Amino acid sequence: AQKITQTQPGMFVQEKEAVTLDCTYDTSDQSYGLFWYKQPSSGEMIFLIYQGSYDEQNATEGRYSLNFQKARKSANLVISASQLGDSAMYFCAMRGTNDYKLSFGAGTTVTVRA
Amino acid sequence: SQTIHQWPATLVQPVGSPLSLECTVEGTSNPNLYWYRQAAGRGLQLLFYSVGIGQISSEVPQNLSASRPQDRQFILSSKKLLLSDSGFYLCAWTRTGGTDTQYFGPGTRLTVL
Repeated sequence: AQKITQTQPGMFVQEKEAVTLDCTYDTSDQSYGLFWYKQPSSGEMIFLIYQGSYDEQNATEGRYSLNFQKARKSANLVISASQLGDSAMYFCAMRGTNDYKLSFGAGTTVTVRA
Repeated sequence: SQTIHQWPATLVQPVGSPLSLECTVEGTSNPNLYWYRQAAGRGLQLLFYSVGIGQISSEVPQNLSASRPQDRQFILSSKKLLLSDSGFYLCAWTRTGGTDTQYFGPGTRLTVL
């Protein structure tokens, strides 16, 4: 079974600054995928970024990057140059080998201040 | 491009009434489909997933059921709602095989009174 831990229930960040959201995971699978989703107040889950366990490079998508440290089993999301529209809840999720489902963490609420 | 629809967007139902939530996907064939529930301020809990028409796997025994009558249609139902069924219900899809990224619909907010 997969387990995802997000220890930061809420964070405040100043506009234009960077913010790092922590995510640690536990799995016995050798091959797995890690995902980050954004959930604004509207409720829709928006896919942000994906990291495969065998990917040698850290994933990046625009202002989002994933700091993947396999030995430490962590997959932290970094949002650079925060914008007011980044205020939302962020979820880390994981899929194991040949696993159809995602296991989600409890989420971190980010509030960007002007 | 692919799109996923859910309806209704919001629903208020009395305890003991039936439920039917619908999810449809456009622009893809034979997707894997998923139903999740999210309690207020919490993460997502997988309820059901389907790899094909008529094939349903249940993750959590409860008051709900799911059906997949067509390739791109996934329905969540209940015969008698409980107060504990209140929450935000999200449908998601992946390509055949199910190991790709899951893309979510806009969700249905259900309140049971």
